[in-house]
Amino acid sequence: DTGVSQDPRHKITKRGQNVTFRCDPISEHNRLYWYRQTLGQGPEFLTYFQNEAQLEKSRLLSDRFSAERPKGSFSTLEIQRTEQGDSAMYLCASSFPGEGSGNTIYFGEGSWLTVV
Amino acid sequence: QQQVKQSPQSLIVQKGGIPIINCAYENTAFDYFPWYQQFPGKGPALLIAIRPDVSEKKEGRFTISFNKSAKQFSLHIMDSQPGDSATYFCAARYSSASKIIFGSGTRLSIRP
Repeated sequence: DTGVSQDPRHKITKRGQNVTFRCDPISEHNRLYWYRQTLGQGPEFLTYFQNEAQLEKSRLLSDRFSAERPKGSFSTLEIQRTEQGDSAMYLCASSFPGEGSGNTIYFGEGSWLTVV
Repeated sequence: QQQVKQSPQSLIVQKGGIPIINCAYENTAFDYFPWYQQFPGKGPALLIAIRPDVSEKKEGRFTISFNKSAKQFSLHIMDSQPGDSATYFCAARYSSASKIIFGSGTRLSIRP
């Protein structure tokens, strides 16, 4: 098991373009999370899936953001009409309920987005 | 609204010293308090975690002290090494939810 995998690791896009990030969680982890992190700040929760169901969305997730997990395995996060304020690292994480230290959440390496 | 407040923002310690990072929370519904370590360009990695029914937990050189009545918890790093230089985040999770909420982070630098 190679951990949580994210792709692409880096993306530079022009303002107004759409971008999509992919996350492959640790196998058999049924919970998947998306967080956003800007420089000098802690990760901020965006949304969370249990299997294919999106159970919670943060108010940070504007209408331009959409996340899917169609088969309960990998997930995509799409940002439409990107703005410079969307520049951040987008972190994906996964967990399995009841594991060890109470639902430990494991993070991927993140996808860096720069909007120019 | 910052639900988990972390201090200091940055910390410089000599090798072998004991850096201490503090966190405070307000919501008594939190039932799980992890600490994450993050190196530049990497995702956060779980370091150690504690539940509120325990006052202290040690794993190797890392210790969490937990004060439930004061709603505060702290991370101590014994015999600190330059390789411990990283950003540390405290976090908390609601008992009824799955997501974790992070503090703002402490940038730790261990001088050789």
